[in-house]
Amino acid sequence: AQTVTQSQPEMSVQEAETVTLSCTYDTSESDYYLFWYKQPPSRQMILVIRQEAYKQQNATENRFSVNFQKAAKSFSLKISDSQLGDAAMYFCAYRRSNYQLIWGAGTKLIIKP
Amino acid sequence: SQTIHQWPATLVQPVGSPLSLECTVEGTSNPNLYWYRQAAGRGLQLLFYSVGIGQISSEVPQNLSASRPQDRQFILSSKKLLLSDSGFYLCAWSEVGVEQYFGPGTRLTVT
Repeated sequence: AQTVTQSQPEMSVQEAETVTLSCTYDTSESDYYLFWYKQPPSRQMILVIRQEAYKQQNATENRFSVNFQKAAKSFSLKISDSQLGDAAMYFCAYRRSNYQLIWGAGTKLIIKP
Repeated sequence: SQTIHQWPATLVQPVGSPLSLECTVEGTSNPNLYWYRQAAGRGLQLLFYSVGIGQISSEVPQNLSASRPQDRQFILSSKKLLLSDSGFYLCAWSEVGVEQYFGPGTRLTVT
């Protein structure tokens, strides 16, 4: 069965600096999707970025980028120029072949002004 | 564009009372629909998903049930709430093969 592990329960970063959140997963599938979601204090889950496993190029969305290492089954999220509005819980998720998502436990990101 | 609605936003119910949470999606047809529960400070637990009207799959056997009476309506129900049913309930939709989009959630407190 697939599993997703986020080993950092909490991370903090100074405003305007860069932070990297870690995620590892376990699967025997060769074709899959990975996602990062953000959950601010409002608790609505917001999609940040997605990565297709068949693509070698790392996905980028403005200040958010991923480091996807397929062989190592690692999928980290880098946030550049951190802003106060980035403070949230961040969840890594793996999409199974039946389209269901397997979720990590989350990382709480604190932005220090 | 697509939007997803959930109501109520918050709910306080006594143990043993019934429950009905509703989720509707606009701007898409035949979406996959999902119900998740999130305990405080934890990740998401998939409860039910549906790929079409009347088609419900349960991931975790428990005190809850789900129904999909219309294409874009998904309902989470219980006949008798337990204290352990307290949590934050999220509805999500997706088109086949694409990422999931979430509603604003319902905070349920069972007293």
